[in-house]
Amino acid sequence: AQSVTQLGSHVSVSEGALVLLRCNYSSSVPPYLFWYVQYPNQGLQLLLKYTSAATLVKGINGFEAEFKKSETSFHLTKPSAHMSDAAEYFCAVSDLSGTYKYIFGTGTRLKVLA
Amino acid sequence: EAGVAQSPRYKIIEKRQSVAFWCNPISGHATLYWYQQILGQGPKLLIQFQNNGVVDDSQLPKDRFSAERLKGVDSTLKIQPAKLEDSAVYLCASSLALAVPTDTQYFGPGTRLTVL
Repeated sequence: AQSVTQLGSHVSVSEGALVLLRCNYSSSVPPYLFWYVQYPNQGLQLLLKYTSAATLVKGINGFEAEFKKSETSFHLTKPSAHMSDAAEYFCAVSDLSGTYKYIFGTGTRLKVLA
Repeated sequence: EAGVAQSPRYKIIEKRQSVAFWCNPISGHATLYWYQQILGQGPKLLIQFQNNGVVDDSQLPKDRFSAERLKGVDSTLKIQPAKLEDSAVYLCASSLALAVPTDTQYFGPGTRLTVL
């Protein structure tokens, strides 16, 4: 069965600093991975997804993630944080056991300091 | 393109009462999902429909939760009777394809349920 683990339930960065949100996966087969962002009182919005076409995936709002099989990781990064990036971020893996539902991590709340 | 619509946005009920949530997916999307998001946790799938058939309801507490997808479009999720631990945000999502692991799921704004 597939699963994801997000290290750090809360991350704080200064405006303009590097954003690094960690996600490690567990899967016996090549996984399909997603990063979603959730702003307060809103639904989830897709930032990017890994579909095995390229290991470095670029998403919206300047975010990108790199799939590293050797480290079983899919960390989300952004070179320079903006105040508007403050939100909760979820990593998810597609369940390949049959129905392709998403299995989500517990989320990381990003705080951006002025 | 209109997104996934959900109503109501907020609901407060007392335990043992019943409640229903409504979801209208993106037009043409074959697959519809209901997730439960408890505070501090990631969303957890409750039920997944492909067109109007259920493909996964393994985590749906069937003694109190029920869901249907009428004519393969709109869906309702019902809780009867509600318990305190049902307090959560209920998210509806839809995706275009049938059984594609890389397909993007589009989420609605959610319904925040508080059970007193």
